[in-house]
Amino acid sequence: DAGITQSPRYKITETGRQVTLMCHQTWSHSYMFWYRQDLGHGLRLIYYSAAADITDKGEVPDGYVVSRSKTENFPLTLESATRSQTSVYFCASSERSALYEQYFGPGTRLTVT
Amino acid sequence: QKEVEQNSGPLSVPEGAIASLNCTYSDRGSQSFFWYRQYSGKSPELIMFIYSNGDKEDGRFTAQLNKASQYVSLLIRDSQPSDSATYLCAVNGDNDMRFGAGTRLTVKP
Repeated sequence: DAGITQSPRYKITETGRQVTLMCHQTWSHSYMFWYRQDLGHGLRLIYYSAAADITDKGEVPDGYVVSRSKTENFPLTLESATRSQTSVYFCASSERSALYEQYFGPGTRLTVT
Repeated sequence: QKEVEQNSGPLSVPEGAIASLNCTYSDRGSQSFFWYRQYSGKSPELIMFIYSNGDKEDGRFTAQLNKASQYVSLLIRDSQPSDSATYLCAVNGDNDMRFGAGTRLTVKP
């Protein structure tokens, strides 16, 4: 049982480039989430999805785009990467809503030069 | 802004002692409370969740919730060096989960 996986695990990209971070879960959880984690800020929600084709903004959505055509996948795209988007990105999933526990993927460390 | 506050630490305790981690939250409507452990360079790992006022015990861990005071804590009994990590408190919002910045715990042998 793979659980929740993210790819790539590490990525270096240049300012202005588009980059997509992938998230895949095998639990058939309805809810999926994208967070970024930065020193001094903790985990901040970027976007979440309650089901396939249903997405909504979190606390820090600017500069990011998400889609969810299949329940198991929730890719996060940085349309034009900026240095301020250098961070560690975590995907998480939950069987039900934010009232219930979330399980995290291993993370993607993204560096924008 | 719905806030979750934690003392950033570091909190240092000797091996075998009780470690006490505290968290306050601002949204009185919150119903679900979680503690995650995060080792350096790793992802957050769920330790416990609590929904009702009072104590909830799981092995060496006890979560305590006081909704009137908007306070949740985590006690780790018989602390081990392997418990050294950052502990994140999380509280549900309307459609999301808000995290504190975490408390770094060091257990010294």
